[in-house]
Amino acid sequence: AQSVTQLDSQVPVFEEAPVELRCNYSSSVSVYLFWYVQYPNQGLQLLLKYLSGSTLVKGINGFEAEFNKSQTSFHLRKPSVHISDTAEYFCAVSQKEGGADGLTFGKGTHLIIQP
Amino acid sequence: NAGVMQNPRHLVRRRGQEARLRCSPMKGHSHVYWYRQLPEEGLKFMVYLQKENIIDESGMPKERFSAEFPKEGPSILRIQQVVRGDSAAYFCASSPIGYSYNEQFFGPGTRLTVL
Repeated sequence: AQSVTQLDSQVPVFEEAPVELRCNYSSSVSVYLFWYVQYPNQGLQLLLKYLSGSTLVKGINGFEAEFNKSQTSFHLRKPSVHISDTAEYFCAVSQKEGGADGLTFGKGTHLIIQP
Repeated sequence: NAGVMQNPRHLVRRRGQEARLRCSPMKGHSHVYWYRQLPEEGLKFMVYLQKENIIDESGMPKERFSAEFPKEGPSILRIQQVVRGDSAAYFCASSPIGYSYNEQFFGPGTRLTVL
């Protein structure tokens, strides 16, 4: 079984400032890692994913995330945020073994961009 | 290529009624996942289906909930005798291949309110 912890339920940031959204996971098996974004009243959209290889992953909209195996973390970062980045961000994992798997999500972090 | 479609977008039911939620996956996708999002919570995996088969229903409540994905037509999530605790957003996702590293494409969700 696996679990995902997003410690920050809300993160307020000024426009054009950098941001980091934290994600830690726990799993007894190897996992794939994902970040999804949810805009109000919409479904989730994939930002980026880590499968293997380079631990720094670049995604859409200028976001990137770094996989740290020793700290079991997959924090999401953006060097300069925009008003349009206001949304709910979810970290998720799926286990590598055993074929297809439902995703295990964290509770989400609400990113609030202040002008 | 239309995205994942869900209907209705909003559904209001009184306690004891039945709720039927429909999900049409993206064209060419034969794998469907259902998730439930309770207020202030992340998404919780409910069930994973392929055409005419339930692959993993480990997240489904034992009673009143059922899901199907027939050979023709949309996937259906059925909730019998709804209770107030069933009020949530229900999301469907689809993927073309049943591997855990695959991106899941999410629909806009159905928001169920039980009066």
